[in-house]
Amino acid sequence: DAKTTQPNSMESNEEEPVHLPCNHSTISGTDYIHWYRQLPSQGPEYVIHGLTSNVNNRMASLAIAEDRKSSTLILHRATLRDAAVYYCILRETSYDKVIFGPGTSLSVIP
Amino acid sequence: EAGVAQSPRYKIIEKRQSVAFWCNPISGHATLYWYQQILGQGPKLLIQFQNNGVVDDSQLPKDRFSAERLKGVDSTLKIQPAKLEDSAVYLCASSPEFATNEKLFFGSGTQLSVL
Repeated sequence: DAKTTQPNSMESNEEEPVHLPCNHSTISGTDYIHWYRQLPSQGPEYVIHGLTSNVNNRMASLAIAEDRKSSTLILHRATLRDAAVYYCILRETSYDKVIFGPGTSLSVIP
Repeated sequence: EAGVAQSPRYKIIEKRQSVAFWCNPISGHATLYWYQQILGQGPKLLIQFQNNGVVDDSQLPKDRFSAERLKGVDSTLKIQPAKLEDSAVYLCASSPEFATNEKLFFGSGTQLSVL
């Protein structure tokens, strides 16, 4: 299974942008980068995914390095509701496994 | 659109007892997953179904855990007998298709405490 590395925890001030990094140096050419987040006492929820190009949706932006060995999830304006554990996942399209690592616990300070 | 339904929400049992969890995926979703999440860790995949067939169960402790997905819709995960280390949240997820990049939709989970 492909591996990702994320910081254990990060802090952000409310209403400021947050950049959550993820390293995936062993990524293969067909692996998609997915991000999920898990709010307290809830199941994970999908945030965004991409292959090579940067992606935007209503929740966040995903910036992918040119060599694809790292990516960054960007929350443009953190709110208290964004406090959660964020998981960066590589999806191997041939097996469709979704393997979670420990993720990054994001705290948002009012 | 209704989400993934799981029940019960909480369950407390003593070790060596048996327990079952139920999951109703989003209507029409072909793929169903069961995950185990121990406190402070990321979810761990236990078993993955495509319709009513098992795609991957390599991480399922088959001496005590079993799962089925009758008629390719609802699914049940059973533990018999339970051990203390089975205390965790059991999450069910579904996605529309297999071997695509469809996103997963998760239920709220069943929190199991084994005393």
